[in-house]
Amino acid sequence: QVQLQQSGPELVKPGASVKISCKASGYAFSSSWMNWVKQRPGQGLEWIGRIYPGDGDTNYNGKFKGKATLTADKSSSTAYMQLSSLTSVDSAVYFCARSTGTGTIDYWGQGTTLTVSS
Amino acid sequence: EIVLTQSPAITAASLGQKVTITCSASSSVSYMHWYQQKSGTSPKPWIYEISKLASGVPARFSGSGSGTSYSLTISSMEAEDAAIYYCQQWNYPLTFGSGTKLEIK
Repeated sequence: QVQLQQSGPELVKPGASVKISCKASGYAFSSSWMNWVKQRPGQGLEWIGRIYPGDGDTNYNGKFKGKATLTADKSSSTAYMQLSSLTSVDSAVYFCARSTGTGTIDYWGQGTTLTVSS
Repeated sequence: EIVLTQSPAITAASLGQKVTITCSASSSVSYMHWYQQKSGTSPKPWIYEISKLASGVPARFSGSGSGTSYSLTISSMEAEDAAIYYCQQWNYPLTFGSGTKLEIK
């Protein structure tokens, strides 16, 4: 069965960077887009961007260009999202999520909670 | 960017009541997808490609629409349906609606 296992909660200081991982299993990792979605406490869902692990192609929400960098390691079936120059507004739960050809997201990771605080 | 406007933002329904949530797109989209999210959990795929129910979704749910207007309907509200529902489209960039919180009256 398809599983997306994300790394654990992070507590980081303002100005620092963090890299969140998402290990995929149960399907052909290289052949599906992997998306990243942000959810601030009590707020809705915000799409950050996506990566196609097969060739490393990426698409970003313009709002997150320069903030988020998406990469993928085919050898370990793991997707990564690095967030830089962190501030309090980056405190949120971040989900990785697989999408299909029609843009629906059919599997979600459990979420990684990021807290930015001094 | 296509903006998705959901209404209502919050609603409460009695058990057995029919519920309709609407999602209006700022431009025409080919597909609309819906997710259910309960507190502290990941969103779950609920309805995809306008009207197809995801695995395990009860048949009392349905989806419909075209162009810029879409809806999710529950024919008879049950307690387990209380949640937040989000619509989502994929015409780059992917966008979500702001969510509809469905409560039990």
